[in-house]
Amino acid sequence: EVQLLESGGGLQQPGGSLRLSCVASGFTFNTYAMNWVRQAPGKGLEWVGGISGSGGSTYYADSVKGRFTISRDNSKDTLYLQMNNLRAEDTALYYCAKDQRSGWYGNSPPLHWGQGTLVTVSS
Amino acid sequence: DIQLTQSPSSLSASVGDTVTITCQASHDISKSLSWYQQKPGKAPNLLIYDASNLETGVPSRFSGSGSETHFSFTISNLQPEDVATYYCHQYDNLPITFGQGTRLEIK
Repeated sequence: EVQLLESGGGLQQPGGSLRLSCVASGFTFNTYAMNWVRQAPGKGLEWVGGISGSGGSTYYADSVKGRFTISRDNSKDTLYLQMNNLRAEDTALYYCAKDQRSGWYGNSPPLHWGQGTLVTVSS
Repeated sequence: DIQLTQSPSSLSASVGDTVTITCQASHDISKSLSWYQQKPGKAPNLLIYDASNLETGVPSRFSGSGSETHFSFTISNLQPEDVATYYCHQYDNLPITFGQGTRLEIK
């Protein structure tokens, strides 16, 4: 059974940093691209970015480019989201999600999702 | 960026009804479109991928169709457990984008 468990969320002041983690199990982690998707309270889904299975390629939404960094440690089956220079508009539930099909990034939609970790940016 | 315009933004229907949601893409995305169901407090659940393929384990009363810029999603024989928000999602081009969502209620 595929499981994705996010952690690292919390309350942070504007301009601060947080690092989210997503521990994966139940599949061969390094063969799947992974995604971060967020959802602001009461709002819709927003793609944050993604990373290839090898970790060699990363992709970002314009809203986070230059502030957020996605990485993965395939030896630990763990995905990361380093969030710097946080803004109030980054307040959201952050989901990690595994692509449906193995292979290159973007060849399929996310199938498995974690339960999310809440990030609140406020002074 | 590819914009996805979903309609309606909300709808109310009765048990047993058939409902349809549409999703229009601002550019040709071939068939790289999926549909998600999200219930309150839960993560999204993939229902349809590649525009018309039913994900494993999803009831057959859910269906999808379309290509290029026009897509639709249909629920037949609506059930009380179908109350949720539904999103279309394109993965043809970066940045990946979602529709704004359709909130479905039961009358």
